[in-house]
Amino acid sequence: DAGVTQSPTHLIKTRGQQVTLRCSPKSGHDTVSWYQQALGQGPQFIFQYYEEEERQRGNFPDRFSGHQFPNYSSELNVNALLLGDSALYLCASRRVRGVGMNTEAFFGQGTRLTVV
Amino acid sequence: QKEVEQNSGPLSVPEGAIASLNCTYSDRGSQSFFWYRQYSGKSPELIMFIYSNGDKEDGRFTAQLNKASQYVSLLIRDSQPSDSATYLCAVTGGNTGFQKLVFGTGTRLLVSP
Repeated sequence: DAGVTQSPTHLIKTRGQQVTLRCSPKSGHDTVSWYQQALGQGPQFIFQYYEEEERQRGNFPDRFSGHQFPNYSSELNVNALLLGDSALYLCASRRVRGVGMNTEAFFGQGTRLTVV
Repeated sequence: QKEVEQNSGPLSVPEGAIASLNCTYSDRGSQSFFWYRQYSGKSPELIMFIYSNGDKEDGRFTAQLNKASQYVSLLIRDSQPSDSATYLCAVTGGNTGFQKLVFGTGTRLLVSP
C-alpha cells in the first residue's frame, strides 16, 4: 500500500518564477492538505482540498493556489516566488468521508523548494 | 501567545532513560492531539494520537492529555539513540471534518548512548 507520495523531492527556482508541486494521497484517503515548513519551525497550514474544492485556508497570500483532481491527487501552485518561500512543502492526506471513517493525517516525504 | 507551545530543547537523556516531552495549547475547543516525530531533513511521522483525557499507551510511547490544564505530553520509555529527532505536537478542533493541524515548533530530543 503506497503512502502519500510527492514530486519532485527537490526543486530550485529563481525569484519571480512559478512552481507546481504534486501530491498523491494514501490509498483510500480523499482529503489532501498542504503545509509549509520553514527551517526550525513547525509546519504551517496552507489549505485543504476535499471533493475538488478548497475547504479551508490558512494565512497565506493568493500567490498560493491549489487544485484537487477526481482521483484525489492534488497540486500546489506558487506564483511570483519570493526568497521567503524557500521551505519544505508537505502534503498530508486523510479520509473524512463516511461515518466513523475519519483517519489521522499522514505526510508525504515533502518537496524541498529553494528560491534563489 | 502561540496556539501550540513546546520547549525547543534540546532535551538530552541517556540511553534507557524516560524522555518526557510537553506541549500546551491555547484553544480550549481543541479536541484531537497528535505527536509526530521528524528526523532531520525528513517529513513528520505520526507516532501517537489521543482524544480523551488520561493516558494512552503504545509500546514504549505514552501520550497523556489533560484538557482542563490544556496540556499534552509524550513519554518515551527505554529511550534509544534512534529516538533522537524533533517531536512535533499538533492539535485540531475536532476529530471529524476539515480540521487543520496546528503545530508547535517542536522539541529536539537527543538520546546519548
